[in-house]
Amino acid sequence: EAGVTQFPSHSVIEKGQTVTLRCDPISGHDNLYWYRRVMGKEIKFLLHFVKESKQDESGMPNNRFLAERTGGTYSTLKVQPAELEDSGVYFCASSQDFGAGELFFGEGSRLTVL
Amino acid sequence: GQQLNQSPQSMFIQEGEDVSMNCTSSSIFNTWLWYKQDPGEGPVLLIALYKAGELTSNGRLTAQFGITRKDSFLNISASIPSDVGIYFCAGRRRGSTLGRLYFGRGTQLTVWP
Repeated sequence: EAGVTQFPSHSVIEKGQTVTLRCDPISGHDNLYWYRRVMGKEIKFLLHFVKESKQDESGMPNNRFLAERTGGTYSTLKVQPAELEDSGVYFCASSQDFGAGELFFGEGSRLTVL
Repeated sequence: GQQLNQSPQSMFIQEGEDVSMNCTSSSIFNTWLWYKQDPGEGPVLLIALYKAGELTSNGRLTAQFGITRKDSFLNISASIPSDVGIYFCAGRRRGSTLGRLYFGRGTQLTVWP
């Protein structure tokens, strides 16, 4: 079974540009999460989808960040326009609704804003 | 927001030594989790603790859920080179969704052969 996959693995953009990150969760996982780790700091929650609906977006930093999950499958996280402080590793994770429900993380998308 | 204080920030040890790291919080958590991140990979769950006082082992790893529910520790016995990586503690609050976790800043472990 394929794990959580993220694309791109690394993106380098200039301040003011736009970047879109993509996450494909494990097949059948209704819950999809975005987390971010700024260098040297903790991994921080951004938002949570249940299928296509945003369940909790309290961790989104500001309105330059837009997450979508059309059709309840893959998700995108767009940063527009990017700022220097947006640099970090963006992790996507998914989980089932039942059982232990713990998270399976993707490898992360490293974003560098110059 | 919630803050988990994880220590030490980094450790440099020799193969065969035991390792101990811990996490404390000013708030109560109902679940404590320990993750490991290998270079270029995402965090992988090592141990999950669901009850105060619980002591759980996974091979050479042992973790405990503090009795106050505000702390947890992870021990690694007889370290080997493949233990290298970043170890994160994470907590889940009562009433939170399963995936709404608060993480520590990580402990970078280096093991010398």
